[in-house]
Parts: sequence; C-alpha cells; structure tokens
Amino acid sequence: AQSVTQLGSHVSVSEGALVLLRCNYSSSVPPYLFWYVQYPNQGLQLLLKYTSAATLVKGINGFEAEFKKSETSFHLTKPSAHMSDAAEYFCAVSEDTDKLIFGTGTRLQVFP
Amino acid sequence: EADIYQTPRYLVIGTGKKITLECSQTMGHDKMYWYQQDPGMELHLIHYSYGVNSTEKGDLSSESTVSRIRTEHFPLTLESARPSHTSQYLCASSDPASAFTDTQYFGPGTRLTVL
Repeated sequence: AQSVTQLGSHVSVSEGALVLLRCNYSSSVPPYLFWYVQYPNQGLQLLLKYTSAATLVKGINGFEAEFKKSETSFHLTKPSAHMSDAAEYFCAVSEDTDKLIFGTGTRLQVFP
Repeated sequence: EADIYQTPRYLVIGTGKKITLECSQTMGHDKMYWYQQDPGMELHLIHYSYGVNSTEKGDLSSESTVSRIRTEHFPLTLESARPSHTSQYLCASSDPASAFTDTQYFGPGTRLTVL
C-alpha cells in the first residue's frame, strides 16, 4: 500500500528565510504526488502536483517541490517565507485513479 | 478555480440527533469525496462517488451514509450522532483532467461537535 510520511509536525521560520517541508512516500508504482495547504478554518487548496512530466514542479504562491525517485522524496520549498504562508501543509500520494493518501500534515509558523 | 460549497460550516448538536452535512459543486464534476479529519491528523477517505447513483465506502469505516441523486450534490447523513462523530468533515470533487489521476478540489469543511 502507498503511504506518505511528513517529517516534522511543526516547522518555524523567520520571515524571509527558506521554507523546507519534508515529504517521503512509499509506492510500488510511479506515484502521483500532491501538496495541499490548509489555512485556519478553511478547506484544502492545491499548491502543486507531480504527474511525471517534470521532476521540479512549480506551484502557486512561490512554492515548488522536487521529485527525487532515488530518495523517494517530494520536499516542498520556498526561497523566502512570508507571514501569509503560515498554515498547515499536507503531502499526498494518489492511489489508483481516485484516492488520495494524506500525510499527517506540517504546521508552518512564520515569525517576523 | 473550482467552486465547492459545504453547509453548515460549524454544527454543535446533541447525541442521538439526525444530521445531514451538505456538499455542492458547480463544475459538473463526476467524482466526489468525503474525508474525515481529526485535529492534527491526516485526512481519511470515508465515502466517494463516481457519479449519479454511485456511492462507495472509503478506507476509514464510518457510520455515516451518503447519496448521489444529482451530479452537483453529495450529502452526508448521520442517523444518530454520537460524541465519537465529533470531527471535521471535508468534501471534495474532481474532474478527470488526465487519463490517470485527478486533481481534487476541496470545500471549506464542516466542523461537527456532538455533545
């Protein structure tokens, strides 16, 4: 079965610093990978997705993620954090054509 | 941009009451999903639908039921609410954008508290 592991339930950075949120997956077939963001009291919003077209995927709000098959990783990065980036971030892997398997989430705090 | 709506956003109700959580989308998406999310935890799929008159149970067992009479509407019902049902419920829909996998668009969620 496919699974997703997000290392670090909480990450804190200063405004302007690099954001790195870690995600490792397990899959017996080439995976489809997603990052979603959830702001307080809101639903999930798709940040970006990997569908085997390119290993470096650019998403919204300046985020990007790199698929590394050798490391089974799909880490999310942003060069310079903004206060508005504070939210919970979920990594997910697709299972067949319909189901998403989510990680436990990482809460990002940004300090001024 | 997908438009998917959930009502109510917050619901506090007593044990034993019947409740229906509403979910509607305006994109004509065939596939719809219900997830349950406890605080600080991952989302778990509890129901999904491929289209009208199609409903399937997800990976997490749930006492709730769903129906899909219209493409745009996918309500979730609890016949007799219990405190163990307290959670956030997220609805999603997807459109087959590729031959293999879909992007799911989420509603804002309903936070249910059963006293």
